[in-house]
Amino acid sequence: QKEVEQDPGPLSVPEGAIVSLNCTYSNSAFQYFMWYRQYSRKGPELLMYTYSSGNKEDGRFTAQVDKSSKYISLFIRDSQPSDSATYLCAIQGGSEKLVFGKGTKLTVNP
Amino acid sequence: SAVISQKPSRDICQRGTSLTIQCQVDSQVTMMFWYRQQPGQSLTLIATANQGSEATYESGFVIDKFPISRPNLTFSTLTVSNMSPEDSSIYLCSTKGPQNNEQFFGPGTRLTVL
Repeated sequence: QKEVEQDPGPLSVPEGAIVSLNCTYSNSAFQYFMWYRQYSRKGPELLMYTYSSGNKEDGRFTAQVDKSSKYISLFIRDSQPSDSATYLCAIQGGSEKLVFGKGTKLTVNP
Repeated sequence: SAVISQKPSRDICQRGTSLTIQCQVDSQVTMMFWYRQQPGQSLTLIATANQGSEATYESGFVIDKFPISRPNLTFSTLTVSNMSPEDSSIYLCSTKGPQNNEQFFGPGTRLTVL
């Protein structure tokens, strides 16, 4: 079993839709959870960072962590064409090493 | 967050040659990281580079193939040696931000080996 599993999509939604992106992980020692957004031919950009179970909200983005199920989610409300990108989940344990999912490619159609 | 730049942004190289990628940060940072992003694969950590010490390599990556320099607190280089087409990838450097566990990435170097 891979340490982090992420559905690669692609995912295509109409503008204004609510988007749900998900990852599962296998190691209960993971403590820190991040979501990155990566536009084509750009480096990953940190969107959300959390270390506890529950929800964290930032504008149209909500990160959700369920440590008991080893499941993390990113919700995007009122999605915009500018949200079209690849979204990467990343998880970190006690060391500095980040373990990434493969990324989900999202297209928001106007 | 720190501003991270990389050179070159892209390159096309012949097999058997080597390429050195530079990473510059606009502030002093203790730890710098080098990642590889192959098509359809997860971002994978190659090594961690601390100033004044040898880089620490992840399983599957060796110093002879990916030598790293870290001469000061704002700069690092990664060399991809004796390249083969399997080395075609995006190479990214990363640093930690002021919050303890955030990591930020440079724009990447897109390498194609023929």
